[in-house]
Amino acid sequence: DAGVTQSPTHLIKTRGQQVTLRCSPKSGHDTVSWYQQALGQGPQFIFQYYEEEERQRGNFPDRFSGHQFPNYSSELNVNALLLGDSALYLCASSLATNGYTFGSGTRLTVV
Amino acid sequence: KQEVTQIPAALSVPEGENLVLNCSFTDSAIYNLQWFRQDPGKGLTSLLLIQSSQREQTSGRLNASLDKSSGRSTLYIAASQPGDSATYLCAVTDSWGKLQFGAGTQVVVTP
Repeated sequence: DAGVTQSPTHLIKTRGQQVTLRCSPKSGHDTVSWYQQALGQGPQFIFQYYEEEERQRGNFPDRFSGHQFPNYSSELNVNALLLGDSALYLCASSLATNGYTFGSGTRLTVV
Repeated sequence: KQEVTQIPAALSVPEGENLVLNCSFTDSAIYNLQWFRQDPGKGLTSLLLIQSSQREQTSGRLNASLDKSSGRSTLYIAASQPGDSATYLCAVTDSWGKLQFGAGTQVVVTP
């Protein structure tokens, strides 16, 4: 049973560029959430998708946007990248709110 | 606004000793609490999930307690092993499924 799959694992982008990160949830899960984790800190909630709609959003600017597809997979898009966007981006899936399964993350470096 | 605090930030113990990790939260209106393990540069592995109506949860050498009224949870790891070296994160879930994390406790178990 595959868990949460994220791609790519590592990414290097230049300031001002745009990036798309992808996530496939665990089989049977319908809710996908995205988190940003800076070095040495706990993950910070970006947003959550359920039934292809953004259900909740954390304190992140509009440069961060997302999408959920009918098969429950999800994308995180970040526009106009800043150096401060360098972080580990984690995707988590769940069935309703009954515990979360996390992917291995995408390490984004902005230079 | 929910705030989650983990004390201590770092902990070093000799192999065989029991580990006690603390987590406190300011708003008792939580849906559940989850403990995770994170190895350097990796994603999060779920260890234990405690529903708000539960007092504790056990899995092998791990035991987690929850006192919602006082806003505290404790993770006990019995007979620690070098393989237990990692960062341990606690997170509380609100009714919408948003996870609020602490900054984590970095654990080193020395042989």
